[in-house]
Formats: sequence, C-alpha cells, structure tokens
Amino acid sequence: EVQLVESGGGLVQPGRSLRLSCAASGFTFDDYAMHWVRQAPGKGLEWVSGISWNSGSIGYADSVKGRFTISRDNAKNSLYLQMNSLRAEDTALYYCAKERRGDAFDIWGQGTMVTVSS
Amino acid sequence: SYELTQPPSVSVSPGQTASITCSGDKLGDKYACWYQQKPGQSPVLVIYQDSKRPSGIPERFSGSNSGNTATLTISGTQAMDEADYYCQAWDSIHVVFGGGTKLTVL
Repeated sequence: EVQLVESGGGLVQPGRSLRLSCAASGFTFDDYAMHWVRQAPGKGLEWVSGISWNSGSIGYADSVKGRFTISRDNAKNSLYLQMNSLRAEDTALYYCAKERRGDAFDIWGQGTMVTVSS
Repeated sequence: SYELTQPPSVSVSPGQTASITCSGDKLGDKYACWYQQKPGQSPVLVIYQDSKRPSGIPERFSGSNSGNTATLTISGTQAMDEADYYCQAWDSIHVVFGGGTKLTVL
C-alpha cells in the first residue's frame, strides 16, 4: 500500500524550532520529488517547500524561505522539514505529498499538526 | 507572485452539473490540476494535466484549461461530492494553490 506518514508536530513557543518527518512506503521513494504543504485551521492549502528526487532542486515559499529547510534521506525513504524561528502564523496542519512527475500531488499523508503559541 | 483565483462557494442541486473555475494569468499555458478535500480528510487528486482522471476517480469529474481559466466540471453531482476543491499550477519551481471553493450540494 502506498503510504506517507508524517510525525514530529506539536506545541512550540514562538522563535523555537521543530523538525517534521515523513515516512514513505509502497513506492520507489527515490524516483520522485516530494513536497510539504500546510493548511492553517479553517484555511486553504499553502505550498511550503519541495525537493527533487536527488535533492538537486529545492524550492521554498516566500513565507518560509530562510527559516525552513527541506531535506530527504533516500536510504531511509524519509522526507524532513526543519522549521526554525517559528511564528504564530506557521500554525497549521503540515502534509507531506508525493509529486506525480512534474505536475500534481497524487499521494498525501494524513498530516501532522504544528501549533506555535506561548 | 503568481496567483490563482477561485470563487469561494458554488451550489448545485443533486443530479445537476457543477462548474468550478480557477483563474490565473495565462493559466492555459500551464498544466492545472484539482484536489477534493472533505472535512477532516487529506486532499485527493481528482484531475491532473488539465483533464486527466487518476485511477479510481469517477467519470463524472472532468477538467479543461484554456486562456486564463481552468474549469472543473462535475456532471450528475452527488451528495458525496460536497467538499472543498482546490486548483493548483506551477510557477517556475514554485507550486501555487487557488484559495479553494466550497461545493454545496442542495
């Protein structure tokens, strides 16, 4: 079964850091680009970051550039998001998503919730 | 930065056709895709490359993209189609989502 399972979310104070993980199974992980997408409570989807299959191409939304770092470990079939200098506006459900090959996201995880509050 | 605009809400009667639009500058020159998200669930891809349906998506879902507008059409809308729908496209290496449209079946 093709599956993405996120972990690492939680309650964190403003200015602190958090690292999210996404464990992939059921497909050849190192064949595909991967992404993080977030959804604030009651709001729409917002793309956060994406990484190519070999980590050679990486992109970030302007809202997180310089604070968040995406990475992957193909040997462990895992995707990561290091989030530093967290702000209240980073509060959201963070989804890991598999890119279908250059266009859409065909597999999504269940999400991990990040709450930034003092 | 590139923006995609969707109507906040669309209503349709059961059995009728629902159309949800997504507007962006020269969107027709890009591929558009669509996601369905029901309350408490993760998004599901329903249309990719403007008009293609992933395996398992009913034939009543179709898409088109031309000029500045992509359209998701649901023919013979059913109560189970009530959900939020998001369009998505690429702007260089960045991904852009529309603001979402709440489809109400009443």
